[in-house]
Amino acid sequence: DAGVIQSPRHEVTEMGQEVTLRCKPISGHDYLFWYRQTMMRGLELLIYFNNNVPIDDSGMPEDRFSAKMPNASFSTLKIQPSEPRDSAVYFCASGDRGLDYGYTFGSGTRLTVV
Amino acid sequence: RKEVEQDPGPFNVPEGATVAFNCTYSNSASQSFFWYRQDCRKEPKLLMSVYSSGNEDGRFTAQLNRASQYISLLIRDSKLSDSATYLCVVDSGGYQKVTFGIGTKLQVIP
Repeated sequence: DAGVIQSPRHEVTEMGQEVTLRCKPISGHDYLFWYRQTMMRGLELLIYFNNNVPIDDSGMPEDRFSAKMPNASFSTLKIQPSEPRDSAVYFCASGDRGLDYGYTFGSGTRLTVV
Repeated sequence: RKEVEQDPGPFNVPEGATVAFNCTYSNSASQSFFWYRQDCRKEPKLLMSVYSSGNEDGRFTAQLNRASQYISLLIRDSKLSDSATYLCVVDSGGYQKVTFGIGTKLQVIP
């Protein structure tokens, strides 16, 4: 298995632009998570899905952020409009057997908003 | 008080040394605990779960102290390859209540 695949690896965009991050979870995993990591706040859960359904989006910072999972093999996280404070590393992770087994992270998207 | 607190370090230790990290948590109802490892500019990876009775995996030992609300990670005979950031993870019930610590950076020096 190729693991959790995220794209792009790096994204540099101007303030006000729309940014779309993509994730392909591990086949068969029924949970998908979006995290954001910064030096100051560490890893923060933004939203997670179970069987393609959003379960908890309380971590989404504001209405500028939205996430979708149209099918079991694809999810997007969109920021519109982007702001410099959104600069961070965004990780997608997937899992299938509960936290006792942990879950697998993708390699992340490093977003810089200038 | 933060839900999960870790000393960010860095901890600089010589090869072969034993080093220990602690992580405190505020929610006494927390149920599951983990240590993840994150290499520089890489994604976090599960290192080990932490069981109530303590558990060991090779040179790594994890322990839980519910009374004092902390978990620990002990690394014996440190290797250069152990250099990384170690993240403490606490599950207080459900995925939305999983909290990652800020991480403790370990640098093993030749």
